[in-house]
Amino acid sequence: QQQVKQSPQSLIVQKGGISIINCAYENTAFDYFPWYQQFPGKGPALLIAIRPDVSEKKEGRFTISFNKSAKQFSLHIMDSQPGDSATYFCAASRGSSNYKLTFGKGTLLTVNP
Amino acid sequence: DAGVIQSPRHEVTEMGQEVTLRCKPISGHNSLFWYRQTMMRGLELLIYFNNNVPIDDSGMPEDRFSAKMPNASFSTLKIQPSEPRDSAVYFCASSSHLLAKNIQYFGAGTRLSVL
Repeated sequence: QQQVKQSPQSLIVQKGGISIINCAYENTAFDYFPWYQQFPGKGPALLIAIRPDVSEKKEGRFTISFNKSAKQFSLHIMDSQPGDSATYFCAASRGSSNYKLTFGKGTLLTVNP
Repeated sequence: DAGVIQSPRHEVTEMGQEVTLRCKPISGHNSLFWYRQTMMRGLELLIYFNNNVPIDDSGMPEDRFSAKMPNASFSTLKIQPSEPRDSAVYFCASSSHLLAKNIQYFGAGTRLSVL
């Protein structure tokens, strides 16, 4: 049972463009939604996270949009740069067991110069 | 801080051999996680320790897998006997329940190839 569905699997964007990655979840008990960034040969690292009490969170060029009724959240990367090329994972966790992150399958982002 | 340290970075072994992966969490962190990453299944949580005690091992695939955390600064994941389907990248992560408890810090991983 895949509780967090992520799309697309891969994405190619030109430098300066907007990258958009989408995730949908099934468990309405989820209350924490982080995005992790992974470069080749490295472990995932937290990029940005949101809780369902807000609809949007922005940190620099990275924005999470959250739609609680649709059970969807997305990552927007503005002014995408070649250095943003990496694999991005959305994740979700809930309540008292918030240690247990359920990850999406990942999106390989390539930003062409 | 050096971050989460895993060793070895790469391991190649033959089917049936015992494999031991090692992890040193970030000093002061009291939670430790072992994950497995494959193309087919993505990132899967294998086991979670809190204060050196295994809390949730529901993700451990079978009895061939075992994990220990003898102290706050060291953990091992052992596969015995190893099989080709165990080939994957294994990550260790740690977090602190006192500070931003949702943030897990990952090591660089161990790439395991079982021939």
